[in-house]
Amino acid sequence: RKEVEQDPGPFNVPEGATVAFNCTYSNSASQSFFWYRQDCRKEPKLLMSVYSSGNEDGRFTAQLNRASQYISLLIRDSKLSDSATYLCVVNIASGGSYIPTFGRGTSLIVHP
Amino acid sequence: NAGVTQTPKFQVLKTGQSMTLQCAQDMNHNSMYWYRQDPGMGLRLIYYSASEGTTDKGEVPNGYNVSRLNKREFSLRLESAAPSQTSVYFCASSKGYTVEGVTQYFGPGTRLTVL
Repeated sequence: RKEVEQDPGPFNVPEGATVAFNCTYSNSASQSFFWYRQDCRKEPKLLMSVYSSGNEDGRFTAQLNRASQYISLLIRDSKLSDSATYLCVVNIASGGSYIPTFGRGTSLIVHP
Repeated sequence: NAGVTQTPKFQVLKTGQSMTLQCAQDMNHNSMYWYRQDPGMGLRLIYYSASEGTTDKGEVPNGYNVSRLNKREFSLRLESAAPSQTSVYFCASSKGYTVEGVTQYFGPGTRLTVL
């Protein structure tokens, strides 16, 4: 079983829709969590950090559920420009540093 | 600031050839990483360097070597390239050490084809 799992999609939604992705992780020692966005043939870029209390940045809301070991990303009022692959990242503390493990990504396609 | 830079952007090798991928960051980050990304596989960690002078294996280190030349530079070497190493290679860096410092910044990638 992969340490970090995501539904690859694609999620195909119309503009204005609300869409949610989940990401599950297997290592309970995981310390920090992030969502990255990757456009086709480009490098990943940080979208937002994920905290237990939940955090919101405009149309994006991220949530962490430690008990069930998953993180979520909610996108409201989808825009065409939100079309991308969304990667979740889980960091595990090891020997004074943090080892990142990426999920395979969830593809989002927003259509007119 | 340029952030994280990688050279070359594209490379074609023949099986058995060797090459070094270069990565440099100008953000005074402590930690640096090398990943490969294959279709449908996501990003897989090859090697990382938590701080200058240290390197450790990641998930898929076989066939690769790394050098943390100084705090800025972290190179990835393929000693004898194989077609299975055809991939997009990303370098990343982070401040490291603290939970807040693990945010990674990526270079633009090197697209490598091994024939």
